[in-house]
Amino acid sequence: DADVTQTPRNRITKTGKRIMLECSQTKGHDRMYWYRQDPGLGLRLIYYSFDVKDINKGEISDGYSVSRQAQAKFSLSLESAIPNQTALYFCATSDPGQRQHFGDGTRLSIL
Amino acid sequence: DQQVKQNSPSLSVQEGRISILNCDYTNSMFDYFLWYKKYPAEGPTFLISISSIKDKNEDGRFTVFLNKSAKHLSLHIVPSQPGDSAVYFCAASAYRLTGANNLFFGTGTRLTVIP
Repeated sequence: DADVTQTPRNRITKTGKRIMLECSQTKGHDRMYWYRQDPGLGLRLIYYSFDVKDINKGEISDGYSVSRQAQAKFSLSLESAIPNQTALYFCATSDPGQRQHFGDGTRLSIL
Repeated sequence: DQQVKQNSPSLSVQEGRISILNCDYTNSMFDYFLWYKKYPAEGPTFLISISSIKDKNEDGRFTVFLNKSAKHLSLHIVPSQPGDSAVYFCAASAYRLTGANNLFFGTGTRLTVIP
């Protein structure tokens, strides 16, 4: 089983809809992250969480919100999806050695 | 403003030869650098890293070189193998300054190793 699991893997939805992307991990890491990848732009940090009570905005948090339900779960929400949020989304966790471990991504298309 | 740059979107190399992937950064506060490898439909996977107190780190066929004065690092793969064909991302963090290992990624270089 994968250590970092993202659901769904693919999602197509319409403008204005509320979307939730979920991430769960079995690595026991306290730190979790959400990134988006756009063509030609690499990965950019949306939100990160150092523990259940600690949520921080990243580089591009506008239009997104997160929830850390437990150490193992970190969800990303788009309250009202817009087409320029079409991207590949990655969840990651990190250990004290700073290496981040990524899920396989969610491909989100907003029409 | 891209703080980590990979100026070569793609690179093709013959099997058995050396692959050299380059990365430049602008933020002098970065103190930890990583390379990630990404196959299609998978998440990035950690490959190798280097702290700013070192100028070289080696792991099997993979070596990362850091030139702090030039704000430049490179990844050498010797010998290159067809299974190395993937997108390689350079990443950096300012962990000692901020206590946060948030990563800043480059835009990636697609490596193709030709059999």
